[in-house]
Amino acid sequence: DAKTTQPNSMESNEEEPVHLPCNHSTISGTDYIHWYRQLPSQGPEYVIHGLTSNVNNRMASLAIAEDRKSSTLILHRATLRDAAVYYCILRGFYYGGSQGNLIFGKGTKLSVKP
Amino acid sequence: DAGVTQSPTHLIKTRGQQVTLRCSPKSGHDTVSWYQQALGQGPQFIFQYYEEEERQRGNFPDRFSGHQFPNYSSELNVNALLLGDSALYLCASSSGRKAFFGQGTRLTVV
Repeated sequence: DAKTTQPNSMESNEEEPVHLPCNHSTISGTDYIHWYRQLPSQGPEYVIHGLTSNVNNRMASLAIAEDRKSSTLILHRATLRDAAVYYCILRGFYYGGSQGNLIFGKGTKLSVKP
Repeated sequence: DAGVTQSPTHLIKTRGQQVTLRCSPKSGHDTVSWYQQALGQGPQFIFQYYEEEERQRGNFPDRFSGHQFPNYSSELNVNALLLGDSALYLCASSSGRKAFFGQGTRLTVV
């Protein structure tokens, strides 16, 4: 399974943008790039996903490099509630009829300072 | 709409015992996956159920088994508990490409 590389931790100031990087040099053509985050004492929460084009939703933006070997999750204005562990995950398609499982790394622990 | 619900929230078991954890998926979701999360680590995939069959399995021993019922709810069973099985067990249900996780069951083996 393709793996991802993320910094162990990052810090941000409240109300400033945050760019969380992810390297995935062994990504295959059918792998989607997913981001999940896990707040303290909670289960992981879906943030965003994409294949080739940049994606935006109400939570964040996902910028995908042209060669797809890296991506960046962008939080436009960090809040204290965004402090969490952010996981970058490659998810393939399992041809048995169900979705490919999520392979989590250690993620990036984001701290947000007031 | 209730999200993914897991029970119990916390559990303490003795080494060698057996445990059953339960998961109700989000309404309309037919795929349920189970993950184990040790302290300070990311979740590790145990197995996935779809159409009441185990479709994928991670690198976990046969002591870990599961079941999916016709209403899509699922159980995770762990036999012959070891101290190393102490972890947060997460259930996730899927709709398309998004997975929705429950709050987890914290299992402590003493």
